[in-house]
Amino acid sequence: RKEVEQDPGPFNVPEGATVAFNCTYSNSASQSFFWYRQDCRKEPKLLMSVYSSGNEDGRFTAQLNRASQYISLLIRDSKLSDSATYLCVVNTANSGYALNFGKGTSLLVTP
Amino acid sequence: DAMVIQNPRYQVTQFGKPVTLSCSQTLNHNVMYWYQQKSSQAPKLLFHYYDKDFNNEADTPDNFQSRRPNTSFCFLDIRSPGLGDAAMYLCATSRSSVEETQYFGPGTRLLVL
Repeated sequence: RKEVEQDPGPFNVPEGATVAFNCTYSNSASQSFFWYRQDCRKEPKLLMSVYSSGNEDGRFTAQLNRASQYISLLIRDSKLSDSATYLCVVNTANSGYALNFGKGTSLLVTP
Repeated sequence: DAMVIQNPRYQVTQFGKPVTLSCSQTLNHNVMYWYQQKSSQAPKLLFHYYDKDFNNEADTPDNFQSRRPNTSFCFLDIRSPGLGDAAMYLCATSRSSVEETQYFGPGTRLLVL
């Protein structure tokens, strides 16, 4: 079983739609959680860290459910510029400095 | 201003010909990482430096080596590139602990002929 699993998509949504991605992780000792965004042929960039209490940044909301070992990302009022691959990233303390990346979920926002 | 710089952005090499990729950072971060990312796959950590301490991932092939001569620079050496080593190589930095944000460079895309 992979350590971090995501639905690869693609998710095709119209502009203005709300879309949600989920990510599951296998190691219950995982401590740090992030969502990164990666545009085609570009480097990953941090979108937001995910905190236990959940957190919001503008149109983006991240939630963590430790009991069920999943993380979610909600994007409201989708923009064309949101089209990208969204990577779920998890760190486990006993893995040292290794961040475990999911393969990413592809989002395409259409006019 | 670019904070993590990778050169070259594109590198073409021949099968078996050694190649070196470089990374520099202006953030004065303690930790530098090298990742390999193949098409439609997640970035895979090859190794990292915490200051001068080198940490190799268990499944990183011996063909891959790294050097960090000072805080700002880190190099990835591929001693004998194979066709399977064609990928995007991403350098990243973080200030100290792994819980902190990692900042990625733009990557070097390696093509092996």
